[in-house]
Amino acid sequence: DQQVKQNSPSLSVQEGRISILNCDYTNSMFDYFLWYKKYPAEGPTFLISISSIKDKNEDGRFTVFLNKSAKHLSLHIVPSQPGDSAVYFCAASQAINDMRFGAGTRLTVKP
Amino acid sequence: DAGITQSPRYKITETGRQVTLMCHQTWSHSYMFWYRQDLGHGLRLIYYSAAADITDKGEVPDGYVVSRSKTENFPLTLESATRSQTSVYFCASSGTGPNYSNQPQHFGDGTRLSIL
Repeated sequence: DQQVKQNSPSLSVQEGRISILNCDYTNSMFDYFLWYKKYPAEGPTFLISISSIKDKNEDGRFTVFLNKSAKHLSLHIVPSQPGDSAVYFCAASQAINDMRFGAGTRLTVKP
Repeated sequence: DAGITQSPRYKITETGRQVTLMCHQTWSHSYMFWYRQDLGHGLRLIYYSAAADITDKGEVPDGYVVSRSKTENFPLTLESATRSQTSVYFCASSGTGPNYSNQPQHFGDGTRLSIL
């Protein structure tokens, strides 16, 4: 039972353009949402998070949007850079001991 | 250096053998976690620990054992390895925010385990 889904296994964008990564969840009890970035042979690195009391959170080039009614989360990267090429995982949590991850989206940013 | 380290990075073993994966963190985080990453599944929680001597099952605990005698260490043991346990294993830790609110988990670089 996958409670967090990333339906696009891959995404390719041109350098300088916007990257939009999407994530859907089914459990309405989730109240904390995160995005992680993962390079090959490394562990996931925390990127940005958002609480369910907000609908937007920004950190530099990264913005996360939360639409609770649609149970949808997205990550916008503007402008995209080649170094952003990685696998991105979204995650959702209702308790410290219960974080669920999506299967990941591989982002490729072409120079 | 501060952080979370896993060892070994790579391990090949045979079915039926016992294997232990090590995890060490220097942040004094109270929470520690073990995940496995498999294609199409993202990361799935095996076991977690809220503090020394407090552990509990996650989503996929069967075939695994954990212990936490010290805050900084959280080893994961496969008592009798099976081929289905071939995976990449990640250890993570997190502190707690105000009122035990959620905080991001911070991950080690993983152990790639192959069981022949």
